[in-house]
Amino acid sequence: GENVEQHPSTLSVQEGDSAVIKCTYSDSASNYFPWYKQELGKRPQLIIDIRSNVGEKKDQRIAVTLNKTAKHFSLHITETQPEDSAVYFCAPRAGKSTFGDGTTLTVKP
Amino acid sequence: NAGVTQTPKFRVLKTGQSMTLLCAQDMNHEYMYWYRQDPGMGLRLIHYSVGEGTTAKGEVPDGYNVSRLKKQNFLLGLESAAPSQTSVYFCASSRGGDTDTQYFGPGTRLTVL
Repeated sequence: GENVEQHPSTLSVQEGDSAVIKCTYSDSASNYFPWYKQELGKRPQLIIDIRSNVGEKKDQRIAVTLNKTAKHFSLHITETQPEDSAVYFCAPRAGKSTFGDGTTLTVKP
Repeated sequence: NAGVTQTPKFRVLKTGQSMTLLCAQDMNHEYMYWYRQDPGMGLRLIHYSVGEGTTAKGEVPDGYNVSRLKKQNFLLGLESAAPSQTSVYFCASSRGGDTDTQYFGPGTRLTVL
């Protein structure tokens, strides 16, 4: 099966700083690369995704970059705000999704 | 349009008891999934379905059974609950399988004593 690793496992930043989370995967057949945000006690919610024919996608303060050759993709959050504090999961898909173990992001006001 | 709903929201079972979790979606999606999430971990796929009448095993299928008799419903059964099945269970659906977005239900918190 697919091996998925997320780094770092915890990340603490000051409000206004940028945050970057990296996800590495093993299955070269993966062709869909989403990032989910999960607040405490809530369901995972898709915040951004990218498909394998695109190298970068941006949505306001959030961006995802993909390096298929190196088998990793990254979540970039700029101008972080306290409401960005949550657990973020990557879930590359090769037929089925495999979730990383999550990155806990804390944004200090 | 309720999206994906799950019943019940919470449940406490004793070891050996059985129960069924119900997932319903009103988006006419073909694919449905059951995941479990343990503390401090990501979601792990239990079983999934690519259409009405079909089911397939995921990453952690042991101790669970599923059925997809109607397109809009996906049931997850525990025949003989064990403490190791204490977890939060999420259902999800997607229009297709490969690159389509998954939409998650609110989750069911199950405790097995």
